[in-house]
Amino acid sequence: DAKTTQPNSMESNEEEPVHLPCNHSTISGTDYIHWYRQLPSQGPEYVIHGLTSNVNNRMASLAIAEDRKSSTLILHRATLRDAAVYYCILRATGNQFYFGTGTSLTVIP
Amino acid sequence: EAGVAQSPRYKIIEKRQSVAFWCNPISGHATLYWYQQILGQGPKLLIQFQNNGVVDDSQLPKDRFSAERLKGVDSTLKIQPAKLEDSAVYLCASSLEVGVGEQYFGPGTRLTVT
Repeated sequence: DAKTTQPNSMESNEEEPVHLPCNHSTISGTDYIHWYRQLPSQGPEYVIHGLTSNVNNRMASLAIAEDRKSSTLILHRATLRDAAVYYCILRATGNQFYFGTGTSLTVIP
Repeated sequence: EAGVAQSPRYKIIEKRQSVAFWCNPISGHATLYWYQQILGQGPKLLIQFQNNGVVDDSQLPKDRFSAERLKGVDSTLKIQPAKLEDSAVYLCASSLEVGVGEQYFGPGTRLTVT
């Protein structure tokens, strides 16, 4: 049911950009792509979402492939506080979220 | 703005006992969700409420789990009787309405069944 595929883990050096990939080949035309992250011992928190066009906010950027079968979350300058599990989620009709296992991001000082 | 509140934060019980978790969503949020997160996995939706009505409970093990949202505000999730495999973090989330916008998550309740 997860519908998305992400690498289990990634590493980044502090203050460098991070590109977190996600594959969602079975996405439907009305599915939104959401990204959440979960810091240790906390509930997930919203990062960004989009439908077709690339999106930017104060936390990150979301690049969506033209065929929408993949997307990339971009953290422009990783900090130690960005170390978390990042979930790529397709939001189906009715706002149900199906979380996968996510990508565990390690930021190296 | 106050976030989603959950209590207790931690609970340890023996198998076959019962347990209840409480959630207070963000004021004005019509939609409320309960998730189960087993260690090393992503959260799994158990039940979704719109006001005080159930929208989706297809993944709720109804033989032992129950949930209610009286008056469309607070919600309780109950497990009776608990099994060892119910050990997990139980997360509550809320959103303004169904199908729109982000979900706001509480800190979760960590349940250990021994």
